[in-house]
Amino acid sequence: SQQGEEDPQALSIQEGENATMNCSYKTSINNLQWYRQNSGRGLVHLILIRSNEREKHSGRLRVTLDTSKKSSSLLITASRAADTASYFCATADSSYKLIFGSGTRLLVRP
Amino acid sequence: DAGVTQSPTHLIKTRGQHVTLRCSPISGHKSVSWYQQVLGQGPQFIFQYYEKEERGRGNFPDRFSARQFPNYSSELNVNALLLGDSALYLCASTPLVSATYEQYFGPGTRLTVT
Repeated sequence: SQQGEEDPQALSIQEGENATMNCSYKTSINNLQWYRQNSGRGLVHLILIRSNEREKHSGRLRVTLDTSKKSSSLLITASRAADTASYFCATADSSYKLIFGSGTRLLVRP
Repeated sequence: DAGVTQSPTHLIKTRGQHVTLRCSPISGHKSVSWYQQVLGQGPQFIFQYYEKEERGRGNFPDRFSARQFPNYSSELNVNALLLGDSALYLCASTPLVSATYEQYFGPGTRLTVT
């Protein structure tokens, strides 16, 4: 079963605009990770935020984590057509597996 | 350095048949995990292997099995295929068994069951 839901399920924006995706989860976590998937192929790791962190940046990516609300957000600034992909959040507890959300499909129009 | 590799890329099987999918982790990575991704959904955890031992299993029937070899490569086997087994099967590797590390995914094997 999925850990939680991502919101929105689909997002269409103009190139240059910012894209924000939200992720909710249900259980206690060790960390939360965001992955990108192009055209139904392999996932690419974007960023990992640990449960004791509130915000993390990587290039044009900004991730926030609110463990009290069991939610996270991914912000992509100054989007490009190449950012078009599906984005998944995944939570990890102290064990071995990732539990993925249902994903947000992002379309960046040129 | 080569990333995670998977073979075959695509596979078409008939209901009731058996399938074997293969994965080679990144050099130096000892842990391999398998995920199933049905169209339109996020990946779901099937197995994790570390040092040739099963360290975790998801909520999948016994038709699904896996093993890891001394070179840390892995095979996922699915018996008595059902239409619902049609999915993208992803392999991921990490240096150690913990999920506190980022996972490196292969390109996946697209399995179609007819």
